[in-house]
Amino acid sequence: QQQVKQSPQSLIVQKGGISIINCAYENTAFDYFPWYQQFPGKGPALLIAIRPDVSEKKEGRVTISFNKSAKQFSLHIMDSQPGDSATYFCAATTGGAAGNKLTFGGGTRVLVKP
Amino acid sequence: KAGVTQTPRYLIKTRGQQVTLSCSPISGHRSVSWYQQTPGQGLQFLFEYFSETQRNKGNFPGRFSGRQFSNSRSEMNVSTLELGDSALYLCASSIGTTSYEQYFGPGTRLTVT
Repeated sequence: QQQVKQSPQSLIVQKGGISIINCAYENTAFDYFPWYQQFPGKGPALLIAIRPDVSEKKEGRVTISFNKSAKQFSLHIMDSQPGDSATYFCAATTGGAAGNKLTFGGGTRVLVKP
Repeated sequence: KAGVTQTPRYLIKTRGQQVTLSCSPISGHRSVSWYQQTPGQGLQFLFEYFSETQRNKGNFPGRFSGRQFSNSRSEMNVSTLELGDSALYLCASSIGTTSYEQYFGPGTRLTVT
């Protein structure tokens, strides 16, 4: 059972454009939602994260929007640059005493064209 | 602070052999988690260790095992390797208590022939 669904699978954006990636989850016990960026041959790097009590969080060109009632969250990358070309993963976890098991979405390959 | 380190970075093994991968977490981090990444299945959780105890386990066969040492370094072992075990094995560390943030290492690329 896929508990975190991510879309689209791939995305092509012009330089300066906005990259938007969406995720939906099923487990209402999830209470921490990170996004990771992965370049070829590298491990995933933590980009930004949000908790359910916050509807939006912005760090630089990156914004997470969170809709608890719809069980959806999304990543927006503003002013996309060629260096942003990578695979992005959303994830979710319950954390706490239950441990730090991350459930990942399937990933979105983003290509930013110059 | 130094990041998460994993050794070896690349490994080629034959079906039926066993393999041990190593992970050194960020200094001060007590939780180490292991993930398998494949093109078909994506990123899947294997297990997590916190203070030398397995705290969580994913849906993998018993051929996959791990352990954590008193200095928080962790190893994972895969016995009786199968072709389908070819993957990138990633280790992630976190403080383990007050923070959910997990930081990944570069991974070990395992190829089973």
